[in-house]
Amino acid sequence: DQQVKQNSPSLSVQEGRISILNCDYTNSMFDYFLWYKKYPAEGPTFLISISSIKDKNEDGRFTVFLNKSAKHLSLHIVPSQPGDSAVYFCAAIDNNDMRFGAGTRLTVKP
Amino acid sequence: SQTIHQWPATLVQPVGSPLSLECTVEGTSNPNLYWYRQAAGRGLQLLFYSIGIDQISSEVPQNLSASRPQDRQFILSSKKLLLSDSGFYLCAWSGGMGDGYTFGSGTRLTVV
Repeated sequence: DQQVKQNSPSLSVQEGRISILNCDYTNSMFDYFLWYKKYPAEGPTFLISISSIKDKNEDGRFTVFLNKSAKHLSLHIVPSQPGDSAVYFCAAIDNNDMRFGAGTRLTVKP
Repeated sequence: SQTIHQWPATLVQPVGSPLSLECTVEGTSNPNLYWYRQAAGRGLQLLFYSIGIDQISSEVPQNLSASRPQDRQFILSSKKLLLSDSGFYLCAWSGGMGDGYTFGSGTRLTVV
C-alpha cells in the first residue's frame, strides 16, 4: 500500500529553469512532510520540510508547497543547477512512522 | 553531535551465504532505528524498525532479520542469502516525536 506516491520517475530541466517535483499522499493523518535528496551510492540527505499547519516553506532556492485538501505537496527548485541532479524522495510522517515515495530522478542539463 | 555509521559500504556474497550488516549511532540515546532497502521503482522500502533494545518490528516478510543487542546498535542479518536480496540497504535513526530521519551512507549488497 503506497501511502506516498511520486508519479513521475524522472524529470529533466535546463539549468537556470524551475524544477517542480510532485508528491501525493493518501493518509490524512500525516502531519509532517519532508524532501530528501539522494546521490548514487550514498544515503539520502534531508533537504527541506513542512508541517501540516503550513502551506509553504522556503529555504534558499528550495520551496515546498503543501495542499492539504488535495493531499499534494511539491518541491520547487529555482534556479535549477547541474549539482541538483539527484533522486528526490518525498516523505510523510504520521506519529512516529515515516513513509517514502518511490523517488523522482531529476536531471539538470547545463 | 549525532552521527550514524553503517558498514560495509559494499559487499559481494554468494547465494546461500550468511549476511550481517551493522549500524551504530553516536551522540544520542534511545534512538529509533530503521533498516530500509532501496528497490528500483519502489523507492525506500522499510524493512525493520526498533524503538528499543530487543524491540524489533518487521514491515515486510522476507529472508532477512534484524536485531538490536545494544541501545545504539542495529544489525541486519540473513542465514542464507537469495539473489533477490541484492540491493542498497540503508540504516537510519530518529529521535522520535515526529523528527525526520538521518540516514547512514548505505551498503550495496550484491548476491552472486
